[in-house]
Amino acid sequence: GEDVEQSLFLSVREGDSSVINCTYTDSSSTYLYWYKQEPGAGLQLLTYIFSNMDMKQDQRLTVLLNKKDKHLSLRIADTQTGDSAIYFCAEKAGKLIFGQGTTLQVKP
Amino acid sequence: DARVTQTPRHKVTEMGQEVTMRCQPILGHNTVFWYRQTMMQGLELLAYFRNRAPLDDSGMPKDRFSAEMPDATLATLKIQPSEPRDSAVYFCASGLANPGTEKLFFGSGTQLSVL
Repeated sequence: GEDVEQSLFLSVREGDSSVINCTYTDSSSTYLYWYKQEPGAGLQLLTYIFSNMDMKQDQRLTVLLNKKDKHLSLRIADTQTGDSAIYFCAEKAGKLIFGQGTTLQVKP
Repeated sequence: DARVTQTPRHKVTEMGQEVTMRCQPILGHNTVFWYRQTMMQGLELLAYFRNRAPLDDSGMPKDRFSAEMPDATLATLKIQPSEPRDSAVYFCASGLANPGTEKLFFGSGTQLSVL
């Protein structure tokens, strides 16, 4: 069945790079997504990647996709305190399936 | 600035009472999703609609939960009777279904506490 897994917590220092990892199970997923949730708010789409791509870069964000291993990562360069949030990866397997979310803590 | 609107933002009720949560999707969107978020379970998909028709409600406890779209501008999620274990944040999201990408826009959620 469909399943998306992420590590639950990541702590980095301001200015460092953050790498959030995700594994998924459905090989038929056409798009994979990263959403961000700030405290008290709904999820907000950060970026997405089509399954025939290996990499997508958008300003400080880099998404890497290893389709063979079903592994997705989100790299945030020069992490800022404003990046502190919960990050969800999601795959579209008919419906959108979310992981548990990774809480990113950015220390000054 | 188009956004998904959910009401109420907060709801405190007693066990056994009926709870109705409302969602106004973004105008022109044709898919609506209901998710429930808890610390233990994360984000669970409860139900989703396309062009107002329910496509999947397998994540929803059918004995007490019901989801409807009376028209294209309103989606409702009802719990009757409510139980303490229903306490969670309920999110509505809307999107425009394409063959492929499905970018969802989330509301701010309804925080439900059942005492």
